Amino acid sequence: GAVVSQHPSRVICKSGTSVKIECRSLDFQATTMFWYRQFPKQSLMLMATSNEGSKATYEQGVEKDKFLINHASLTLSTLTVTSAHPEDSSFYICSARRAGGSYEQYFGPGTRLTVT
Amino acid sequence: QKEVEQDPGPLSVPEGAIVSLNCTYSNSAFQYFMWYRQYSRKGPELLMYTYSSGNKEDGRFTAQVDKSSKYISLFIRDSQPSDSATYLCVSLVSGGTSYGKLTFGQGTILTVHP
Repeated sequence: GAVVSQHPSRVICKSGTSVKIECRSLDFQATTMFWYRQFPKQSLMLMATSNEGSKATYEQGVEKDKFLINHASLTLSTLTVTSAHPEDSSFYICSARRAGGSYEQYFGPGTRLTVT
Repeated sequence: QKEVEQDPGPLSVPEGAIVSLNCTYSNSAFQYFMWYRQYSRKGPELLMYTYSSGNKEDGRFTAQVDKSSKYISLFIRDSQPSDSATYLCVSLVSGGTSYGKLTFGQGTILTVHP
């Protein structure tokens, strides 16, 4: 159990367009989901924490108007990169924590975003 | 000083060797400790999760935590080429403003060669 999926796995978009990434917990309910960004050969950087039914909490330096997060159900969170620029190109990974469970997070496979 | 320190390696071992991955932390508030394995261009996979000092074993993996010295280890027995990956040492606090947030070490790159 504890499987998290992400869609799409890879996306290429043009500068100025918006891209939506979905994160789903497939076999458990997740009250809390997290969005990370990872640059090559670096560790994961937390962007925001989202709780089902409430607004996301963004980390310092992350633009909330640029990275829109919605956590509308206990199994789905979405990240929308608005007005994408080449510097937004990165590997985006979500994770989910079980409802009523302990603190470990289960990660999705990641989404590779390339902005041209 | 990073709150969680890991030797980034790279570490190269022959197949069948016992691998020791080590990590130290500085924040006394850390209560939970995890090891994740991350293959290239994939999301991290949870290997071990523990919250007490001592050893926890799962198959070929043993996690060891010593809270008195703030030292965390992961041992891999009978290492296989498929174990080649980056290993992330992770800690978290359960309360306060950092509730539930993971703090990552830099990761150790491991290569197991046949």
